[in-house]
Amino acid sequence: AQSVTQLDSQVPVFEEAPVELRCNYSSSVSVYLFWYVQYPNQGLQLLLKYLSGSTLVKGINGFEAEFNKSQTSFHLRKPSVHISDTAEYFCAVRSQGGSEKLVFGKGTKLTVNP
Amino acid sequence: DTGVSQDPRHKITKRGQNVTFRCDPISEHNRLYWYRQTLGQGPEFLTYFQNEAQLEKSRLLSDRFSAERPKGSFSTLEIQRTEQGDSAMYLCASSLSLGQGSYEQYFGPGTRLTVT
Repeated sequence: AQSVTQLDSQVPVFEEAPVELRCNYSSSVSVYLFWYVQYPNQGLQLLLKYLSGSTLVKGINGFEAEFNKSQTSFHLRKPSVHISDTAEYFCAVRSQGGSEKLVFGKGTKLTVNP
Repeated sequence: DTGVSQDPRHKITKRGQNVTFRCDPISEHNRLYWYRQTLGQGPEFLTYFQNEAQLEKSRLLSDRFSAERPKGSFSTLEIQRTEQGDSAMYLCASSLSLGQGSYEQYFGPGTRLTVT
């Protein structure tokens, strides 16, 4: 079984500041890792994914994440945020092989203030 | 590509009533997933289909819940004898599996259920 912990439920930042949203996971098997974003009253949109290879992955809207196997982490970063980045961000894992269900964290609400 | 669509977007029902939700996946996608999201939580997996076959069901899916994908295209999720605890956002997602599993699940806008 897998589990995901998003350490911060809310992260307020000022516009143009850097941000890091933290994600740690637990799994007895190898996993794929994902970050999704959810804007109010909308479904989830995939930001980026780690399947294999380079541990630094780049996604849409200037976001990137780094997979750290030894620390079982997959933190999301953006060097300079915009007001439009205000949303809920979810980290998710899926086992490699076997079930295709995504296991999500509880989410981090990012609020970008002017 | 019109994306994943869900209908209705909002449903208010009285406790004890039955409700049915529909999901239309991206047209060429052969896998379809249902998740439930309650306030302040991440989505939780309910079930998924490959074509018309239901491959996995979560323990969250009690016997009051049933999902179908009769022709391998759209899917329905029915909740019988609704309870207040069923109030949640029900999300549908689809993906394309080419024999070695699939990686990206594309989500619809969700159906928000309120049970009064």
